[in-house]
Amino acid sequence: QSALTQPASVSGSPGQSITISCTGTSSDVGGYNYVSWYQQHPGKAPKLMIFVVSGRPSGVSNRFSGSKSGNTASLTISGLQAEDEADYYCTSYTSSNTYVFGSGTKVTVL
Amino acid sequence: EVQLVESGGGLVEAGRSLRLSCSTSGFTFGDYAMSWFRQAPGKGLEWVGFFRSKTFGGTSEYAASVRGRFTISRDDSKSIAYLQMNSLKTEDTAVYYCTRGPIEGARFFDCWGQGTLVTVSS
Repeated sequence: QSALTQPASVSGSPGQSITISCTGTSSDVGGYNYVSWYQQHPGKAPKLMIFVVSGRPSGVSNRFSGSKSGNTASLTISGLQAEDEADYYCTSYTSSNTYVFGSGTKVTVL
Repeated sequence: EVQLVESGGGLVEAGRSLRLSCSTSGFTFGDYAMSWFRQAPGKGLEWVGFFRSKTFGGTSEYAASVRGRFTISRDDSKSIAYLQMNSLKTEDTAVYYCTRGPIEGARFFDCWGQGTLVTVSS
């Protein structure tokens, strides 16, 4: 199972919106709505930010939103803040009853 | 408060075995599947495998990279999940995280431990 494709880095200024893409295949992202996103600060454990494409856990800012079209899922961060600077990973359930991760995107707040 | 604490990591020679533990609290352990992930130094996250709750069959699934070498188990009476790693390779060097999930019907992982480092030397 190949890793999902994410851009290596995305940057934006405070207050701006950025979008991270996550491209897979019809056997994972395109075949199921089981896409979730995780934020990871350096040296820290990952944190769930989005589940089932667009669900947001309690406690996660509504500046984070998710969507999906075809084989590509997206995470949008609006009103970018310094604390959003981190690595972001998408993951999807697959037709093999396994889970595949994206390669990770480093978000930089300029 | 949900807590997951991994232990058992360390330095081990290639070909040897190691068992990691994930001690949990703050939720009804037996109601949830439990998973293990890993992250090699400077690399991205990789799913290792999971063990379903008894309600959903008590079976396990593994990534191709560890299938046949790694085994996940659980002790519901102690609220602990385990990762038995055999025939270790240098490429198994990583921080290993345990998580709650995948959440049945939604397939995400909502709570993570802080991780334990496993270093496999040649």
